[in-house]
Amino acid sequence: DIQMTQSPSSLSASVGDRVTITCRASQDIKNDLGWYQQKPGKVPKRLIYVASSLESGVPSRFSGSRSGTEFTLTISSLQPEDFATYYCLQYYVYPLTFGGGTKVEIK
Amino acid sequence: EVQLVESGGDLVQPGGSLRLSCAASGFTFSDSWMTWLRQAPGKGLEWVANVKGDDSEKHYVDSVKGRFTISRDNAKNSLYLQMNSLRAEDTGMYYCIKYSGYAGLDNWGQGTLVTVTS
Repeated sequence: DIQMTQSPSSLSASVGDRVTITCRASQDIKNDLGWYQQKPGKVPKRLIYVASSLESGVPSRFSGSRSGTEFTLTISSLQPEDFATYYCLQYYVYPLTFGGGTKVEIK
Repeated sequence: EVQLVESGGDLVQPGGSLRLSCAASGFTFSDSWMTWLRQAPGKGLEWVANVKGDDSEKHYVDSVKGRFTISRDNAKNSLYLQMNSLRAEDTGMYYCIKYSGYAGLDNWGQGTLVTVTS
């Protein structure tokens, strides 16, 4: 199984900060990676697919990138509505596997 | 508009069974891979199973193999998850999701809660 190591597990940041979350895959997954945002009590929402494509309707402050087996979600200027938990997902091979999540909290 | 509505979640004793259903609309169901995914209370996301549009291919996470069965009825635009030999660790919110091999988990239902406890 492919392990997705997500870091950090939590972070505190201020409105306007640049935030970076990383997922490292245990083997090559090409670009088959997505990023999901989940707010408390809500259904997860996809932000990014195929590593760097922005989901329709998602603000442009969110971006995704890939370097080898390392994937990054960047929020260029954190907004109040961005405080949530973020997950990466590899869908290159079964079983599909998620990172452990990153909880973004208000500083 | 894609709509996925889960039902069937309940409180069940360990060793019991439950069948989850998902009613799909707004897309060509028979052409679409579908996913069941779960989230234990306060925990992360865990993929459970996928089924191909024509029901010819299925995949499961190891922890449910032999206990859970994903199936579909394309005539009814419905997805199912038969869960047997339930364990406490199967407790959680179960989501029905439209899946694509290109983009992953496309559209999510609101979820149905399964609680396994004595």
